[in-house]
Amino acid sequence: AQSVTQPDIHITVSEGASLELRCNYSYGATPYLFWYVQSPGQGLQLLLKYFSGDTLVQGIKGFEAEFKRSQSSFNLRKPSVHWSDAAEYFCAVGTTGYSTLTFGKGTMLLVSP
Amino acid sequence: DTAVSQTPKYLVTQMGNDKSIKCEQNLGHDTMYWYKQDSKKFLKIMFSYNNKELIINETVPNRFSPKSPDKAHLNLHINSLELGDSAVYFCASSHPGDERRNNEQFFGPGTRLTVL
Repeated sequence: AQSVTQPDIHITVSEGASLELRCNYSYGATPYLFWYVQSPGQGLQLLLKYFSGDTLVQGIKGFEAEFKRSQSSFNLRKPSVHWSDAAEYFCAVGTTGYSTLTFGKGTMLLVSP
Repeated sequence: DTAVSQTPKYLVTQMGNDKSIKCEQNLGHDTMYWYKQDSKKFLKIMFSYNNKELIINETVPNRFSPKSPDKAHLNLHINSLELGDSAVYFCASSHPGDERRNNEQFFGPGTRLTVL
């Protein structure tokens, strides 16, 4: 069965600084990978996705993520964080066929002034 | 023009009661899901329906019964509510066709259920 690990429960970043959120997955074949963001009291919004092809994917709100097969990782990055980016971030893996998403436990991003 | 909607947004009820949460999507998707997010924010799949048929049931207690009257709706009925059922429940949907699009899921805003 597939699994996702987000090793950081909380991360605090200064506004304007760069951000990297880590995600490692376990799956026997090529996975479909996603990053979702959940603002307080809100639903899940898809930031970006990787299906195949270029391993660097661009998403909304200035986010990008890089798929590294050798490291089983799909880390999320942003060059300059804004206070409005403070939220919970979830990495997820999907598989072949009629699958569901397996989520990591999330990383809470705090943005300091 | 909401894509995936859920009602109610908040639900507070007593132990032992029966309650339902409704989900509707206007995206033309064939596959719908229910996820549970616990107090530690962990998201776990409960059910998946494709074309009104149950395709995934992740060992959820049989007090939980999903019902799909048509492809656009997937409701969740919960009998004999317990304290441990308190959570946020998310509905999601995905597009039919190739498996990549089927994996891309669109989520509703969630229903926060509190059992007292």
